[in-house]
Amino acid sequence: DAGITQSPRHKVTETGTPVTLRCHQTENHRYMYWYRQDPGHGLRLIHYSYGVKDTDKGEVSDGYSVSRSKTEDFLLTLESATSSQTSVYFCAISESRGMYEQYFGPGTRLTVT
Amino acid sequence: GNSVTQMEGPVTLSEEAFLTINCTYTATGYPSLFWYVQYPGEGLQLLLKATKADDKGSNKGFEATYRKETTSFHLEKGSVQVSDSAVYFCALSDRGASGSRLTFGEGTQLTVNP
Repeated sequence: DAGITQSPRHKVTETGTPVTLRCHQTENHRYMYWYRQDPGHGLRLIHYSYGVKDTDKGEVSDGYSVSRSKTEDFLLTLESATSSQTSVYFCAISESRGMYEQYFGPGTRLTVT
Repeated sequence: GNSVTQMEGPVTLSEEAFLTINCTYTATGYPSLFWYVQYPGEGLQLLLKATKADDKGSNKGFEATYRKETTSFHLEKGSVQVSDSAVYFCALSDRGASGSRLTFGEGTQLTVNP
């Protein structure tokens, strides 16, 4: 199994509060991704990173920001959480442009009340 | 843009039945195709992949063939087991300069009864 951990695994927070989710990898892979999983939508890409300090938006990036200051860590921040951001969040990694499969972390279940 | 369409679920089968989960895609260029599986409470695991037309991916008794002429990548297994109960996602990867970006189908819930 790829060495990917996510923290926290579960979080309940109130509307309007900031939330940061962490993804940590021990594989030294260059590419990292944040997805959200919602019923009826599969997984949708929020943001991704192609190197330290290099990030770009995915299809559902509004309300989210990311940072990557080290190869092994990719942080997802909800600046002001809303109920529509209640979801399960998955981090993924991939090794290089030539290796297109991604490996997923165990997920973080976030509930915004 | 890219898109993936999976057959609607949920799918319920008896043990040892034949499984087909349909997947069709729309993409520019020549994407790689994947099936991922998600067991309850877990993240997604790569089940199999195919990177070019007519390639067949296989793993754990599951198979899927990359059909460019029909833009399909249907998942099949000859004899399912209770342990195959999970959600199955079809996905494609475009080949951008910024790494691979996966586009997923909605997922198909499979339940296998003893």
